[in-house]
Amino acid sequence: EIVMTQSPATLSVSPGETATLSCRVSKSVSGNLAWYQQKPGQAPRLLIYGASTRATGIPARFTGSGSGTEFTLTIRSLQSEDFAVYYCQQHDNWPPEFTFGQGTKLEIK
Amino acid sequence: QLQLQESGPGLVKPSQTLSLTCSVSYAAITSGDFYWSWIRQPPGMGLEWIGYIYYSGSTFYNPSLESRLTMSVDTSKNHFSLRLGSVTAADTAVYYCARSGTYKKNFFDSWGQGTLVTVSS
Repeated sequence: EIVMTQSPATLSVSPGETATLSCRVSKSVSGNLAWYQQKPGQAPRLLIYGASTRATGIPARFTGSGSGTEFTLTIRSLQSEDFAVYYCQQHDNWPPEFTFGQGTKLEIK
Repeated sequence: QLQLQESGPGLVKPSQTLSLTCSVSYAAITSGDFYWSWIRQPPGMGLEWIGYIYYSGSTFYNPSLESRLTMSVDTSKNHFSLRLGSVTAADTAVYYCARSGTYKKNFFDSWGQGTLVTVSS
């Protein structure tokens, strides 16, 4: 079983600043990692797939990077609507083993 | 624009069967490029994948739920369904249906809004 570990659990950042979220995977998944954003009372929304490709309609301030076992989601110029919970998910193996990280809550400082 | 909509009872008694349906709009469930999943989220907790089904009826379940789980697809109605038996309070969660792609593209690009199912007598 592939284990996804996200850090930190909670991140406090001021609007306008940059947030850096991490996701570590227990085995290499090459560049096959996705990030989702979830706001209270809403379904998750795909932000990034393939480690660095933004999904349709996702602003350029969201940047994904990394490969292998270490991945990062960077959100620049934080806006009020960016404060949410973020999850990572690997999409490398087949049949798919759909496991998510435990999430990072990005809160307003 | 693809839309997914979950439907079903919001309250289920312990030991009974939870049944949900996901209706797919503006896309054919018979597209061979996609798989159709159920994912749940207990209150205040993270995401747990339950299982997926392909339009042909082939399934792949989370091993931790497999013994209680049945998924089915009705291509004529463009929907797929979930049945989870012998439920307990631990099955209380928001249940989402979602679409994922095939090999190396198995991330979830579309989600339903979710439906809260409470297991209680």
